[in-house]
Amino acid sequence: KNQVEQSPQSLIILEGKNCTLQCNYTVSPFSNLRWYKQDTGRGPVSLTIMTFSENTKSNGRYTATLDADTKQSSLHITASQLSDSASYICVVADRGSTLGRLYFGRGTQLTVWP
Amino acid sequence: EADIYQTPRYLVIGTGKKITLECSQTMGHDKMYWYQQDPGMELHLIHYSYGVNSTEKGDLSSESTVSRIRTEHFPLTLESARPSHTSQYLCASSAGTGTYEQYFGPGTRLTVT
Repeated sequence: KNQVEQSPQSLIILEGKNCTLQCNYTVSPFSNLRWYKQDTGRGPVSLTIMTFSENTKSNGRYTATLDADTKQSSLHITASQLSDSASYICVVADRGSTLGRLYFGRGTQLTVWP
Repeated sequence: EADIYQTPRYLVIGTGKKITLECSQTMGHDKMYWYQQDPGMELHLIHYSYGVNSTEKGDLSSESTVSRIRTEHFPLTLESARPSHTSQYLCASSAGTGTYEQYFGPGTRLTVT
């Protein structure tokens, strides 16, 4: 069964601190893995997309890593800001689908306190 | 920001009413999707379309229907709303090539009383 599991479910950190979010998946055949940021009441916005051959991808203070062998990914946020408070969703695409079928994790709810 | 729009953003409606949630994109994307998301839960695909005159049901069974008469427009209709339909509905579109990047609209928060 194709699944995407994220941890932790929620996380509280102080402004300026770093944090790392985890994602494990069982989707096969694998096409790519994305991290989305979803603000409360808004649609998800893509942060990074990594294909099978990519180990790391950065977008400003966000750095994602991918280990396709162990089927794990992480999202590292550096020097957190209040605006980073959101749900971070790990999404894996199925290569076998012409639809671009996506499998979603439940997200990690990050709260950044001043 | 992607050019994909949803209206209304919030809707509170009584049981039994017919509603249509609008979704439009100006990117010329062929593929469009509707997702349902409850608080703290993952997105579930309820409908998708490969292009004009193409509509398919997704993984999560839904009493809603969709239509795709124009490339840019993918409305979702509930003929008779019920409290169980209370949820967030997200529309997305994709060029359908490369990484199949999906761009999401802001969502419609539906509450059925």
